[in-house]
Amino acid sequence: EVQLVQSGAEVKKPGESLRISCKGSGYSFTTYWINWVRQMPGKGLEWMGRIDPSDSDTNYSPSFQGHVTISADKSISTAYLQWSSLKASDTAMYYCAGSSGWSEFDYWGQGTLVTVSS
Amino acid sequence: SSELAQDPAVSVALGQTVRITCQGDSLRSYYASWYQQKSGQAPVLVIYATNNRPSGIPDRFSGSSSGNTASLTITGAQAEDEADYYCNSRDSGNNPYVFGTGTKVTVL
Repeated sequence: EVQLVQSGAEVKKPGESLRISCKGSGYSFTTYWINWVRQMPGKGLEWMGRIDPSDSDTNYSPSFQGHVTISADKSISTAYLQWSSLKASDTAMYYCAGSSGWSEFDYWGQGTLVTVSS
Repeated sequence: SSELAQDPAVSVALGQTVRITCQGDSLRSYYASWYQQKSGQAPVLVIYATNNRPSGIPDRFSGSSSGNTASLTITGAQAEDEADYYCNSRDSGNNPYVFGTGTKVTVL
C-alpha cells in the first residue's frame, strides 16, 4: 500500500527556519514525483511545487518561487519542504501528494499544520 | 496564469443527483481531475483524466468535459459525500498546475 507520512505539527516564530518532511513507503520512492500543496485556514488548495526524487529536478509555482525550497533524499524515501525565514502568512496546512509525472495527485499525505506566531 | 472557477456551494437531497462545474481556459487543453476533501481530512482523488475513477471510488462519481468546462456528477448522493470538492488541471502559463476555487457540497 502506497503511503505518504508527513512530520508533525509545528509552532514557530516569525523569522525562524523550518523543514517539514514527507516519507514514502509501500512503493519505489523514485516512481512518483512529490508535490507540495498549501491550504491556508478556511481556504482552498494551492500547488506550491514538485520534485522528481530520481534526479531532484524541481519546479515551483511563481507564487512560491524563492520563498520555499523543495528537496528529497531518495536513500531514505523522504521529501522536504523548507523555509529559511517564516512569516505569519505561512500559517497553513501543508500536504505532500504523489503524482506520476505531470498528472493527477494519486496519493496524499495526512498534512502538516504549520503555525507561525510571535 | 489561468484560474478555475467553481460555484462556492451546492446542496443536494439524499439520493438525488448533483453536478459540480469547473470553468477555465486550461480545460481546453488539459484533463481535469477532482478531489474530495472531508472536514479535517486530506484530499482524496475521485476522478482523473476527466472521467476515470481510481480504485475504491464508488461508481456514483463520474466526470465529463466540454470546451472550457469540466463537471463532476454525483448520482444518488449519500451522506458521506458531504465535502469540499476541488478541480485541478495543468496550465500552460507560468504555474504548471491550477486548482479550482472549491465547491462545498451539502447533502440534505
